[in-house]
Amino acid sequence: KAGVTQTPRYLIKTRGQQVTLSCSPISGHRSVSWYQQTPGQGLQFLFEYFSETQRNKGNFPGRFSGRQFSNSRSEMNVSTLELGDSALYLCASSLSVVDTQYFGPGTRLTVL
Amino acid sequence: AQTVTQSQPEMSVQEAETVTLSCTYDTSESDYYLFWYKQPPSRQMILVIRQEAYKQQNATENRFSVNFQKAAKSFSLKISDSQLGDAAMYFCAYRRGAETSGSRLTFGEGTQLTVNP
Repeated sequence: KAGVTQTPRYLIKTRGQQVTLSCSPISGHRSVSWYQQTPGQGLQFLFEYFSETQRNKGNFPGRFSGRQFSNSRSEMNVSTLELGDSALYLCASSLSVVDTQYFGPGTRLTVL
Repeated sequence: AQTVTQSQPEMSVQEAETVTLSCTYDTSESDYYLFWYKQPPSRQMILVIRQEAYKQQNATENRFSVNFQKAAKSFSLKISDSQLGDAAMYFCAYRRGAETSGSRLTFGEGTQLTVNP
């Protein structure tokens, strides 16, 4: 089985722009979670989707949003980018919400 | 809220030797899961081992084993016969067990492991 894929792998944006990141889970996995990783804050949970419904959301401003499609693929969007949004964004998928999560390679976002 | 603490920012080990990485956590839950993930320079997060809190037996995966002390809320990872490929950042993670809690992972700060030839 193919692993979790994330596109694009690298992204450079300027402040004020918006960005959309994509995540394709392992085939058959219906739960997708997103995490932000920065040197200062470490790994922080953004949100979780299961069967197209957002089940949990972390402590991030409303500029961060996401969605999940019927094929379980997920996208996250960040609007009005700030310098502090520069980070590695990791997506993880699992069969269900109680199963082990498997991570994708991440998208490295740089905001200039 | 649950917290996970890794008190060793950096560790080093000689190739073929054994090393233990420490992790403590704080929770009022009785049903939960604990994980160790490794993140090599490629930044791909890879599952190393998983432990269910209701299981008294410590999990093992080949050269990787854990020492799970539920009362002490301690979850250490032992790597035996260390190999150069084990060099990575290791993260301890916690997840609540109830399905209603979702799959949210709480991570520790990480321990950077160096393996010396």
